[in-house]
Amino acid sequence: DIQMTQSPSSVSASVGDRVTITCRASQGISSWLAWYQQKPGKAPKLLIYAASSLQSGVPSRFSGSGSGTDFTLTISSLQPEDFATYYCQQANSFPPTFGQGTKLEI
Amino acid sequence: QVQLQESGPGLVQPSQTLSLTCTVSGGSINSGPYHWTWIRQHPGKGLEWIGYIYNSGSTYYNSSLKSRVSISRDTSNNQFSLKLRSVTAADTAVYYCARVFKTTNWFDPWGQGTLVSVSS
Repeated sequence: DIQMTQSPSSVSASVGDRVTITCRASQGISSWLAWYQQKPGKAPKLLIYAASSLQSGVPSRFSGSGSGTDFTLTISSLQPEDFATYYCQQANSFPPTFGQGTKLEI
Repeated sequence: QVQLQESGPGLVQPSQTLSLTCTVSGGSINSGPYHWTWIRQHPGKGLEWIGYIYNSGSTYYNSSLKSRVSISRDTSNNQFSLKLRSVTAADTAVYYCARVFKTTNWFDPWGQGTLVSVSS
């Protein structure tokens, strides 16, 4: 199975900050990567797919980049509603696997 | 828009079978470029993919659970279901159903999730 490793595991930031979260795959996955946002007690929500494509309805302050083994999720100007846990997921190989999550805290 | 809703017992005894159903509204599980899936999240932990059911009826499972899991569908009620046999406390988790884009394997949308506790 492909292992997905996110860093950091948690990050503290303030409203208006720019934040970057990293996801590394244990082998190359081209651009077969998605990012999800999960708020406490809620289901994950798809933010970005194909490494850099923004899901419909997701604010443009979210962006994704990378290919191969190294990927980033960037939030350009944090809003209060962005404080959540973020997961990456690879869709290149069976079975699909997730990173361990990055908790974004105030 | 498509919505998914999990249902089933919130408490299962050890060694018994966990059974959950996902009811899909706003779209047919038989049509479109989609498959359907179950994913679970242990308390305070990350996400673990359990298995798929394709709209052809074919199923694919995580090898870590393959000997105990089965996913089926009821097209007349637009539902798909999960059965996990011989459960232990390690199967305590929030179980989510989700739609999968057929050619890309992105998961969207997800059901709200249901907590299943395994305890006597």
